[in-house]
Amino acid sequence: GDSVTQMEGPVTLSEEAFLTINCTYTATGYPSLFWYVQYPGEGLQLLLKATKADDKGSNKGFEATYRKETTSFHLEKGSVQVSDSAVYFCALISGGGADGLTFGKGTHLIIQP
Amino acid sequence: DAGVIQSPRHEVTEMGQEVTLRCKPISGHDYLFWYRQTMMRGLELLIYFNNNVPIDDSGMPEDRFSAKMPNASFSTLKIQPSEPRDSAVYFCASSYGPGQRRNEQFFGPGTRLTVL
Repeated sequence: GDSVTQMEGPVTLSEEAFLTINCTYTATGYPSLFWYVQYPGEGLQLLLKATKADDKGSNKGFEATYRKETTSFHLEKGSVQVSDSAVYFCALISGGGADGLTFGKGTHLIIQP
Repeated sequence: DAGVIQSPRHEVTEMGQEVTLRCKPISGHDYLFWYRQTMMRGLELLIYFNNNVPIDDSGMPEDRFSAKMPNASFSTLKIQPSEPRDSAVYFCASSYGPGQRRNEQFFGPGTRLTVL
């Protein structure tokens, strides 16, 4: 079945540091890929998405590129802020026709001033 | 738009009691999803509806769980009887549109359920 693997953390960085959160996947067909962010006590918010190979999703300074050859969708940001502290989830919707999201376990990111 | 609305936000109950979680999707959305989040298993899809019809309930853990969507603006997830291992955060999400647009799911704030 479909699966998503991501580093679980916690990942602790200083403000203005470069961020990479790794995500790899196994899926049927050609999935759509997503990054969601969850702030404390809140629901998940869609951060960015990519629907086909080599697509780059971007939002709020975050970027991720759909790499079919390595089945990866790593999240990057050039300079993190304290306000980026949250849990980040990599997810996919299978190209096989299922509509529900398959999530990774989540990565807890802590940014220190 | 108010976004996806869930109630209650927190529920504490005793083992064996019936629990009902409620969700109001974003107006106009035709897909509704129920997910469960636990430390051990992460986020899991329980069931989803399209135009009020259940499409896939393969993620519902046991017969103790049931979900309904009587109309386009309301859904319930019921657990009867509840057990301590049902303790989790339950999220409702909705989406709309043909093709790729329906993949953009909007999540509610969740209901944190504690079964003692």
